[in-house]
Amino acid sequence: DARVTQTPRHKVTEMGQEVTMRCQPILGHNTVFWYRQTMMQGLELLAYFRNRAPLDDSGMPKDRFSAEMPDATLATLKIQPSEPRDSAVYFCASGLVPESARGYTFGSGTRLTVV
Amino acid sequence: QKEVEQNSGPLSVPEGAIASLNCTYSDRVSQSFFWYRQYSGKSPELIMSIYSNGDKEDGRFTAQLNKASQYVSLLIRDSQPSDSATYLCAVNRDTGFQKLVFGTGTRLLVSP
Repeated sequence: DARVTQTPRHKVTEMGQEVTMRCQPILGHNTVFWYRQTMMQGLELLAYFRNRAPLDDSGMPKDRFSAEMPDATLATLKIQPSEPRDSAVYFCASGLVPESARGYTFGSGTRLTVV
Repeated sequence: QKEVEQNSGPLSVPEGAIASLNCTYSDRVSQSFFWYRQYSGKSPELIMSIYSNGDKEDGRFTAQLNKASQYVSLLIRDSQPSDSATYLCAVNRDTGFQKLVFGTGTRLLVSP
């Protein structure tokens, strides 16, 4: 089965450090989402890309977060500097638009803990 | 008002019963609707999608959509303990900026 691959699975870092999370979408998918999940807020959309172009990153704190898609096989989410409130599970999901009716496939997530 | 609203639960049903999960959305432009299941510590997985008003059945699952009322639901027949999970409703536009927006999920507990 095709899958979305996220690395690392777990990350513990100290406040102020840079964190980079990576996502390899399913081959052929043209849309990539980054979500953050916490108990309080649920799944929050941070950013998404279509054909590698950023379409919307309004859900992302611009001063510390950045998302890029340097090529079709890699999406990155970077936090610099990290803060304890960034502790959450970060999911990447990919899909094919206009066939989005099939839904989007999620990666296993990166569990980030900032201490 | 949140774009997608769900009752957080937990919704408790006995094994073999029908579980009914509900979701309302605010964006009338929404065209595609999805139900994801998420087990604790795991990633969401797609179980149903629906695009037209009415019912769509897949095995023990039935999705129901009413665009006029901006309401989508998921029925699980013959509930099993293995169905215990959080069920996430998601909506998507098919035009313009398509962004998949999730509700906060309803936790379902199926007791043996």
